[in-house]
Amino acid sequence: NAGVMQNPRHLVRRRGQEARLRCSPMKGHSHVYWYRQLPEEGLKFMVYLQKENIIDESGMPKERFSAEFPKEGPSILRIQQVVRGDSAAYFCASSPLGADNSPLHFGNGTRLTVT
Amino acid sequence: DAKTTQPPSMDCAEGRAANLPCNHSTISGNEYVYWYRQIHSQGPQYIIHGLKNNETNEMASLIITEDRKSSTLILPHATLRDTAVYYCIVMNTGFQKLVFGTGTRLLVSP
Repeated sequence: NAGVMQNPRHLVRRRGQEARLRCSPMKGHSHVYWYRQLPEEGLKFMVYLQKENIIDESGMPKERFSAEFPKEGPSILRIQQVVRGDSAAYFCASSPLGADNSPLHFGNGTRLTVT
Repeated sequence: DAKTTQPPSMDCAEGRAANLPCNHSTISGNEYVYWYRQIHSQGPQYIIHGLKNNETNEMASLIITEDRKSSTLILPHATLRDTAVYYCIVMNTGFQKLVFGTGTRLLVSP
């Protein structure tokens, strides 16, 4: 039973380019969460999605960031026109449908470096 | 969600029990205590959670005081691979918008 898969593991982008981070949840999980960890800081919630719906995006920066979780395929976190401050580790987590206190299962993250 | 307080760092000898404390004095009746850990360069890993009863699984034990204002995570026989940052998180049921604090950096030494 594969865990949460994130790719790429490492991503280098120049300032102004776009970054697309992919997350495939665990089999049978339909809830996806994205977290960001800046260097030497704790993890911060960004967005919570169910299939085809954004449930809570209160942690997403207002501009340049977007997330989707289509009916088919992985969840995508998209960062347009990246800046150096976007350099961070981005973690995806998933949980089963309708499980109120089920723990989250995290992937090993995508490390984005903006040069 | 209630705030938690953890010591910034702890040391433990390999093979000994590691007891990681957490204070959550403002916890409310329907809030659970969760423990996650993050080993360097990896994603957070769920360890255990509980409401008011003590809990045990293959990884650890969770002891919650009767007034629920504090808890202790116990790794009964720490190994070098248990070196990580351990996060104590208090939250309601519902979707898991976890709020990670600074955690406790546990160093297990030979």
